[in-house]
Amino acid sequence: GQNIDQPTEMTATEGAIVQINCTYQTSGFNGLFWYQQHAGEAPTFLSYNVLDGLEEKGRFSSFLSRSKGYSYLLLKELQMKDSASYLCAAMDSNYQLIWGAGTKLIIKP
Amino acid sequence: GAVVSQHPSWVICKSGTSVKIECRSLDFQATTMFWYRQFPKQSLMLMATSNEGSKATYEQGVEKDKFLINHASLTLSTLTVTSAHPEDSSFYICSARDLEQGFAYEQYFGPGTRLTVT
Repeated sequence: GQNIDQPTEMTATEGAIVQINCTYQTSGFNGLFWYQQHAGEAPTFLSYNVLDGLEEKGRFSSFLSRSKGYSYLLLKELQMKDSASYLCAAMDSNYQLIWGAGTKLIIKP
Repeated sequence: GAVVSQHPSWVICKSGTSVKIECRSLDFQATTMFWYRQFPKQSLMLMATSNEGSKATYEQGVEKDKFLINHASLTLSTLTVTSAHPEDSSFYICSARDLEQGFAYEQYFGPGTRLTVT
């Protein structure tokens, strides 16, 4: 079956760095997405990886290892506004997104 | 660019009535739109995939006669919750793929509609 695993909740300190991990198992693979979702709002796109390696975009970076079925989202210089849920989603061979349950990130001052 | 709107943003209805939610791509054409449901503290659950001009494809366990989806144009899809019950209360989110964006099949999300059935 298809499955996405990510931690339920993480806590970090303002100004610090946090890494949110995601492992996936899908029927075929067409890329890995990370979305940010604030409470009561729709998800917003953060990153897309389809090749192995690290993609950096400002304070956020995303890494993919296709052979390991593994990705992580790295957030640097954490700000209070980064408190949100972070959703990992893998695209299968039918270009369907398989969603993880999301990681709630709590930022403390 | 790539803005998706939903209307209404929230709605309260009585049990047994029907509610229609609209999803529009404002500045791009979307051949495919997706309807999701999200319960509190849970992830997005895909309900159906809506293709312009054809019948929607429903996920297993989603009643197609209860959740009517119409994708009449390249910029509009509607979800009608018929004979709503309190257990249908949820956050409904639509997303759309840009016809011209080929690289990543990114989905652009609407702001969501919070439905409360009393």
